[in-house]
Amino acid sequence: DAGITQSPRHKVTETGTPVTLRCHQTENHRYMYWYRQDPGHGLRLIHYSYGVKDTDKGEVSDGYSVSRSKTEDFLLTLESATSSQTSVYFCAISESMFFSYNEQFFGPGTRLTVL
Amino acid sequence: GQQLNQSPQSMFIQEGEDVSMNCTSSSIFNTWLWYKQDPGEGPVLLIALYKAGELTSNGRLTAQFGITRKDSFLNISASIPSDVGIYFCASLQGAQKLVFGQGTRLTINP
Repeated sequence: DAGITQSPRHKVTETGTPVTLRCHQTENHRYMYWYRQDPGHGLRLIHYSYGVKDTDKGEVSDGYSVSRSKTEDFLLTLESATSSQTSVYFCAISESMFFSYNEQFFGPGTRLTVL
Repeated sequence: GQQLNQSPQSMFIQEGEDVSMNCTSSSIFNTWLWYKQDPGEGPVLLIALYKAGELTSNGRLTAQFGITRKDSFLNISASIPSDVGIYFCASLQGAQKLVFGQGTRLTINP
């Protein structure tokens, strides 16, 4: 298994509070991604990073920000959590984009509930 | 918005039966991927397809990249209990962005 950990694994928070989720990798992969998974929608890309301090938006980026100050860590922040952000969040990593597709390896997920 | 339509959304089968699911899109894609997600875990790549018409097997799993480049199917032969889970099709939007189907939840009755 790829060395990806997510923390926390479960979190319950209240509407309006800030929340930060952490993804940590030990594979030294260049690319890191945050997805959310909701019933009926599969997984949707929130933000991704293509290097330290290099990030870009995905399909559902509103209400989320990210930071990557080190190769191994990618943080997802919900600036002011809303109930619509209740979801399961997955981090993924992949190597260079030099080839047509480099497999993305997924972490175990973080279940976030916003009350 | 969602660009991949996956069907069926759920399947209930008997152990030993064969399974077939598919994924369609209104857009042309150059790569089709099939992932499996076990309960409480992240998705794991099963099969990757890179060429229209390509047929690829991985054990009891077989997947094909449609000739039109707008569809793909996944077959599982002789299902076993560990095949239970959610199966996702996915494709590339740009070099590294994945777009996923809604998933097919497979349940196997012993």
